[in-house]
Amino acid sequence: KNEVEQSPQNLTAQEGEFITINCSYSVGISALHWLQQHPGGGIVSLFMLSSGKKKHGRLIATINIQEKHSSLHITASHPRDSAVYICAVATDGGSQGNLIFGKGTKLSVKP
Amino acid sequence: GAVVSQHPSWVICKSGTSVKIECRSLDFQATTMFWYRQFPKQSLMLMATSNEGSKATYEQGVEKDKFLINHASLTLSTLTVTSAHPEDSSFYICSAHRADTQYFGPGTRLTVL
Repeated sequence: KNEVEQSPQNLTAQEGEFITINCSYSVGISALHWLQQHPGGGIVSLFMLSSGKKKHGRLIATINIQEKHSSLHITASHPRDSAVYICAVATDGGSQGNLIFGKGTKLSVKP
Repeated sequence: GAVVSQHPSWVICKSGTSVKIECRSLDFQATTMFWYRQFPKQSLMLMATSNEGSKATYEQGVEKDKFLINHASLTLSTLTVTSAHPEDSSFYICSAHRADTQYFGPGTRLTVL
């Protein structure tokens, strides 16, 4: 079993829909990252969380430390949101870049 | 915002040759940088932690003599894939941490023929 599991693997939505991507992990963490990877491969860091909730524009990320679960929400989705969304965790006692990555959720938003 | 660049963005080489990939932090100093690789349809995996002025720390299963890392300045880390083979073909990405954000380079796609 992977230490970081994401669901769903693939997600197709219509423009304007509310999107939720889930991430569960089985290790102790110091932080959780949500990343966005575009088709060319480049990665953008969206959020780094250690507790609670963060919001940036149409993106919201939440984390429940007790349940070892995080969600990424996209409100009013748009075709430009189409990308792979990756959850990654920095383990307790590990360095900040020593990340364990989920396999990603491929999001496709149709106009 | 902080930017991490990589060069080259893609490279094709013959089997047996060596390839150097550069990772630069453009507007901040990074004493530590990280190298990852991503095989097709797989997760990113940490290869090594690059430490300025000292030896890199390699993850289990990553050959330090094959993947040479040099972090000679606070803004530059290089990864050299020595005697590259087709199985080394992958997407290599570096990152650096600043404040509460991990900044990733755009990646280098290596194809070994």
